Amino acid sequence: AQTVTQSQPEMSVQEAETVTLSCTYDTSESDYYLFWYKQPPSRQMILVIRQEAYKQQNATENRFSVNFQKAAKSFSLKISDSQLGDAAMYFCAYRVPQTSGTYKYIFGTGTRLKVLA
Amino acid sequence: KAGVTQTPRYLIKTRGQQVTLSCSPISGHRSVSWYQQTPGQGLQFLFEYFSETQRNKGNFPGRFSGRQFSNSRSEMNVSTLELGDSALYLCASSLVGGSTYNEQFFGPGTRLTVL
Repeated sequence: AQTVTQSQPEMSVQEAETVTLSCTYDTSESDYYLFWYKQPPSRQMILVIRQEAYKQQNATENRFSVNFQKAAKSFSLKISDSQLGDAAMYFCAYRVPQTSGTYKYIFGTGTRLKVLA
Repeated sequence: KAGVTQTPRYLIKTRGQQVTLSCSPISGHRSVSWYQQTPGQGLQFLFEYFSETQRNKGNFPGRFSGRQFSNSRSEMNVSTLELGDSALYLCASSLVGGSTYNEQFFGPGTRLTVL
């Protein structure tokens, strides 16, 4: 079964500190992408970072980086120098191609991140 | 380029009624997916449409249906509403094919409350 697990329903971090959100997934596919999405309170979901499974190098986007462990099927998100605007629900997602030519996305249940001033 | 738009943003219905939600994808995007978001359940995939055809379907009852028009706009319909259908319904569009990452771009959602 294709599943995505986010074991931390809620986390808190002090402003300017670093926090890591965990995500594990289960798949037998070899060709897939992994994503972290951010959903601020009452605002639109936006893409934070993506990782291609065939790339060994961890993706980085400014203060956001991932630790991709393919063998362990782990895809954690690290937020450095946390800011108040980082407070949001974070969703980990996994995507595989379908025979239809489109893609299937599987999302985790989310981690609510609180940033303390 | 305008983002994904969803209408209406808020909806209140009573049990037994039916509802239709609308989604307009980003211009040029031909794939539209629908998700149900509830606290503790995350995003549950409903279905995906591409070129007016349903390509993928999640594990939801037949009361949930959808369609896509030739301009890629999509509608989702829920018949015989139940209290448990109260949720945020998200639409996401993506550009299928080409050299892009084809990631999904989400709309703001429609908040459905069933009384």
